[in-house]
Amino acid sequence: AQSVTQLDSQVPVFEEAPVELRCNYSSSVSVYLFWYVQYPNQGLQLLLKYLSGSTLVESINGFEAEFNKSQTSFHLRKPSVHISDTAEYFCAVSVNNQGGKLIFGQGTELSVKP
Amino acid sequence: GEEVAQTPKHLVRGEGQKAKLYCAPIKGHSYVFWYQQVLKNEFKFLISFQNENVFDETGMPKERFSAKCLPNSPCSLEIQATKLEDSAVYFCASSQSRGTGELFFGEGSRLTVL
Repeated sequence: AQSVTQLDSQVPVFEEAPVELRCNYSSSVSVYLFWYVQYPNQGLQLLLKYLSGSTLVESINGFEAEFNKSQTSFHLRKPSVHISDTAEYFCAVSVNNQGGKLIFGQGTELSVKP
Repeated sequence: GEEVAQTPKHLVRGEGQKAKLYCAPIKGHSYVFWYQQVLKNEFKFLISFQNENVFDETGMPKERFSAKCLPNSPCSLEIQATKLEDSAVYFCASSQSRGTGELFFGEGSRLTVL
């Protein structure tokens, strides 16, 4: 079975500071990896994904994540955050033979302060 | 449509009453997923469909929960005899391909059981 651990439940940070949200997963088979973002009272939006190829993936709004197979991690980073990045961030994995089902981590609340 | 549409946005039921939630997946998406989110975190997988067929129901509390995806109708999730612990936001998601796990989520239906 697969599992996802997000090590930080809350991450407070000042505007324009760098941030890293940590995600580790456990799986005996190859997985696909995702970061989703949830703004207040909204559904989940896909931020970025790793399916194959380059281990560094980027989003259109400046986030990036690096797949590290040896450390079974997929940490999310941004060099300079904005107030508008305040949201809940969820790391998730899926396995090809499970029909696309996503297994989510517990979420990390990113709070960006002015 | 171009987005996953969930109705109602809010539903209040007394304990023991029935609750029924609806989801219209994105047009052309063959896979539908239901998730339960309690207390702003922890997305619990409930069930998935491939067209009108149940693909994976490992997360469904079988005794009170049921779901359907019938042709030319919104998918539905029904809870018979609701309990207080069923209070949650229920998210529906759809996908074009079950292999990559890239799910598109609706805005959720908030069920409050009093």
